[in-house]
Amino acid sequence: ILNVEQSPQSLHVQEGDSTNFTCSFPSSNFYALHWYRWETAKSPEALFVMTLNGDEKKKGRISATLNTKEGYSYLYIKGSQPEDSATYLCAFTSGTYKYIFGTGTRLKVLA
Amino acid sequence: NAGVTQTPKFRVLKTGQSMTLLCAQDMNHEYMYWYRQDPGMGLRLIHYSVGEGTTAKGEVPDGYNVSRLKKQNFLLGLESAAPSQTSVYFCASSQDRGGNQPQHFGDGTRLSIL
Repeated sequence: ILNVEQSPQSLHVQEGDSTNFTCSFPSSNFYALHWYRWETAKSPEALFVMTLNGDEKKKGRISATLNTKEGYSYLYIKGSQPEDSATYLCAFTSGTYKYIFGTGTRLKVLA
Repeated sequence: NAGVTQTPKFRVLKTGQSMTLLCAQDMNHEYMYWYRQDPGMGLRLIHYSVGEGTTAKGEVPDGYNVSRLKKQNFLLGLESAAPSQTSVYFCASSQDRGGNQPQHFGDGTRLSIL
C-alpha cells in the first residue's frame, strides 16, 4: 500500500517567521507531486505541480522543492502572514489517474 | 468562473435513505473524481471517470455508485445510506490524466447519516 506522510501535523508560528513542512512519498513509480492550500470551509487550491527531480517552484513567499530519488518534498513559507493560515496538502501520483493524499499540515500564523 | 460546483452543500439523511450528489464543471475537463474526507485521513478516492460514459472504482467504492452521462457532470449516488458514510465529499476535475495539471476541487458536501 502506497503511503504519503506529511509532517508536522500542525504548527503555530508567529507572524514574520519562516517555516517549512515535509511531504514523504514512495520513491518508486513517481510521476508527479502536487501541493494544495486548503482554507477552512473552502476547497483545496493548487499551489504547485512538481514532476522533475530537483524541481524548485515559487509563488510569492511560498516555494517548494522536490527530491524524487529519496521521496520527499519541502514546502517553505517565508515571512508567514496570518492569511497563510491553512492546511497544506500534498498528493502523489504515479500517473494512473489516482492520487494519494497526505493528511496535511495545519498551519496557524499568530499575529 | 464557476469551476467545480457541488450540490447540495449539506445534507442529513436517515440510515437506509438514498440520495445523489451532483458535481458540475465548466472547464471541459475529461477527468473527474469523487473523494471522501474523514478526520485523521487523507482524501480517499471513491470513484473516478476518464471521460463521458466511463467510470471506474477508486480506493473506497463500496456503497456508492456513479454516473457520467454528460462530460460536465459526475454524479455520486448512495443507494442505502449507512452511518459509516458520514463524511465530507469532494468532487474534483482535471485536464490531464497523469498529474501534469492540478486537480480543481468543489467546495464539498457535508453529509451526515443518522
